[in-house]
Amino acid sequence: SQTIHQWPATLVQPVGSPLSLECTVEGTSNPNLYWYRQAAGRGLQLLFYSVGIGQISSEVPQNLSASRPQDRQFILSSKKLLLSDSGFYLCAWSPGGGYTFGSGTRLTVV
Amino acid sequence: KQEVTQIPAALSVPEGENLVLNCSFTDSAIYNLQWFRQDPGKGLTSLLLIQSSQREQTSGRLNASLDKSSGRSTLYIAASQPGDSATYLCAVKGGGADGLTFGKGTHLIIQP
Repeated sequence: SQTIHQWPATLVQPVGSPLSLECTVEGTSNPNLYWYRQAAGRGLQLLFYSVGIGQISSEVPQNLSASRPQDRQFILSSKKLLLSDSGFYLCAWSPGGGYTFGSGTRLTVV
Repeated sequence: KQEVTQIPAALSVPEGENLVLNCSFTDSAIYNLQWFRQDPGKGLTSLLLIQSSQREQTSGRLNASLDKSSGRSTLYIAASQPGDSATYLCAVKGGGADGLTFGKGTHLIIQP
C-alpha cells in the first residue's frame, strides 16, 4: 500500500533554535516529494520539491532548507528559527496522479 | 504564474441544502485539478481528482466539474450534512514537477 508519514504532529520551539521535520513514504520508488506551509490567511504555499535523492528545488526564498538523503525520505530543516516560521507544515506526494498529504506538523515559534 | 481563486471565502447554510463551491484559475494549461477537504488542525483529504481531459467526477454526494478553457471548476455538494462542515480547497497541477497551486479555500458551515 502507498502511505505517507509525517512527524512530529506538534512542535513548540524558541526563536533561534534548529528545526528538523521528517517525512517518509512507502509503496513507490523514486516519488516526487513536496513540502508545503500553511500560514494563517495565506493559504498553502509550496516550499520545496524533490524529484530524486539529493535533488531539491526551492520555490521561495526563506529561512528553511530541505534535504532528501534517501529515496523515500524528505526532511525540512532550519538552523535558526524565526517567529515568521510558525505555521502548519505538510508533506505531500503524488504516487498515482493525484496528490496525497501527510497529517501535518503544527510549528509554533515562541 | 498560475493563480487560483475560490469563491465564496465562507459559506453557512442549513442542513439539507444543495450547494456549489467555485474555483477559477488563470492559466488553462493544467494537467489536472483536485478538490480537498481540510478539517480544523488537520491535514488535507482528497475528495475528487479531475484530469484535464475530463469534464466531471463524482463521488457519493459530491460532483466536481471542470471547464478548462474558461478556467473554472465547481464542487457540488448534494443534501448537505453537518459533517460536511470543513474548509474546501481547490488545487491545480501544471505540466511540470513543481506541485500544486492552491486557492485559499471556502470555509463551509452546515447548520444542524
